[in-house]
Amino acid sequence: SAVISQKPSRDICQRGTSLTIQCQVDSQVTMMFWYRQQPGQSLTLIATANQGSEATYESGFVIDKFPISRPNLTFSTLTVSNMSPEDSSIYLCSVGDAFEAFFGQGTRLTVV
Amino acid sequence: DQQVKQNSPSLSVQEGRISILNCDYTNSMFDYFLWYKKYPAEGPTFLISISSIKDKNEDGRFTVFLNKSAKHLSLHIVPSQPGDSAVYFCAATIRYGGATNKLIFGTGTLLAVQP
Repeated sequence: SAVISQKPSRDICQRGTSLTIQCQVDSQVTMMFWYRQQPGQSLTLIATANQGSEATYESGFVIDKFPISRPNLTFSTLTVSNMSPEDSSIYLCSVGDAFEAFFGQGTRLTVV
Repeated sequence: DQQVKQNSPSLSVQEGRISILNCDYTNSMFDYFLWYKKYPAEGPTFLISISSIKDKNEDGRFTVFLNKSAKHLSLHIVPSQPGDSAVYFCAATIRYGGATNKLIFGTGTLLAVQP
């Protein structure tokens, strides 16, 4: 198993601003994943972050809007840029493989 | 296109009775299925999984059934306990031959177990 800490746990932000979410894992992992859960929707994969390479984004998500950093094997950040109310969601960091993924507690973002 | 569907947004069950949560999928390439449980203000936690080569997997009070021909799976919780009250997510992936370790999630079912 893995223990994942996310910061902040929640935030209320003004539209047009950016928020950076941090994800810290208690062990070294090759891949880290960022998900979004919009209200009433499923968890949707935003991107996969490998240490030492560019993140791989899923269809509908772009680097300019959701830049990701992966400076080492235990840490990653996701930035939500130029926010609008439609970005109000829970953002979750995840590690592990698809057969037993572990999640952080999530960051609840409200854009006003 | 929602590839994994949980058509019941909520379910209420009496303590001690059986809870049955349902999930349907459309992609016949999915060969591995998982259930996650999520409490408020916490991340989802892995509960139980099943490979497409099986039709049943049991772990204590939790059993997952898979009907490949119907592209349907269900999670049974027997007996249900108040601590089981949470949102349950169904997820699917392509384990063999898949390009990535991507999980496709359903929208979740909120289970409320009444004492």
